[in-house]
Amino acid sequence: KAGVTQTPRYLIKTRGQQVTLSCSPISGHRSVSWYQQTPGQGLQFLFEYFSETQRNKGNFPGRFSGRQFSNSRSEMNVSTLELGDSALYLCASSSGQPGNQPQHFGDGTRLSIL
Amino acid sequence: AQSVTQLDSQVPVFEEAPVELRCNYSSSVSVYLFWYVQYPNQGLQLLLKYLSGSTLVKGINGFEAEFNKSQTSFHLRKPSVHISDTAEYFCAVTLYNFNKFYFGSGTKLNVKP
Repeated sequence: KAGVTQTPRYLIKTRGQQVTLSCSPISGHRSVSWYQQTPGQGLQFLFEYFSETQRNKGNFPGRFSGRQFSNSRSEMNVSTLELGDSALYLCASSSGQPGNQPQHFGDGTRLSIL
Repeated sequence: AQSVTQLDSQVPVFEEAPVELRCNYSSSVSVYLFWYVQYPNQGLQLLLKYLSGSTLVKGINGFEAEFNKSQTSFHLRKPSVHISDTAEYFCAVTLYNFNKFYFGSGTKLNVKP
């Protein structure tokens, strides 16, 4: 069974630009969550999508947005990039059933802002 | 609100020695508990999980963890570590009715020869 696939693995952007990251979940998984990982803040939850609807949301500004398609693939978009957005962005998928299903993570997209 | 505290940011240990990585959580409701490991330039890999039942949970790579409800702890242990166990370890909790995970700040395990 293929794991969670994130593309691209590495990305370099400049301040003010926007970026779109992609995540393909494990086949059959309907929930996709996004996390931002930085050395200073650790793993911070961005949002979770389930069946094309945002079900949970973290405390990030509106510049961070996402969507999920009917095949459960998800994209995350960050607009007006800031230096502080440099981070490893991780996507995780699960069946989406209440609570007890572990999340399976992709290898992440490392975003660097110049 | 839920929170997860990993008491040690870094743990150095010699190869073949035992190790314990500590995790405490706070929650007013029942939670499920997980340990993940992250190797450099990779995502997080599930080590083990506690959902219910026996409080001693065995995971992959020889790791185990014990759920202690009275102390709200879920410490990770391995009786004999290898160089290949060098990685960052994350404790996480999730609520019964939600799919939102709360992660600790991570513990970097450095196994020395």
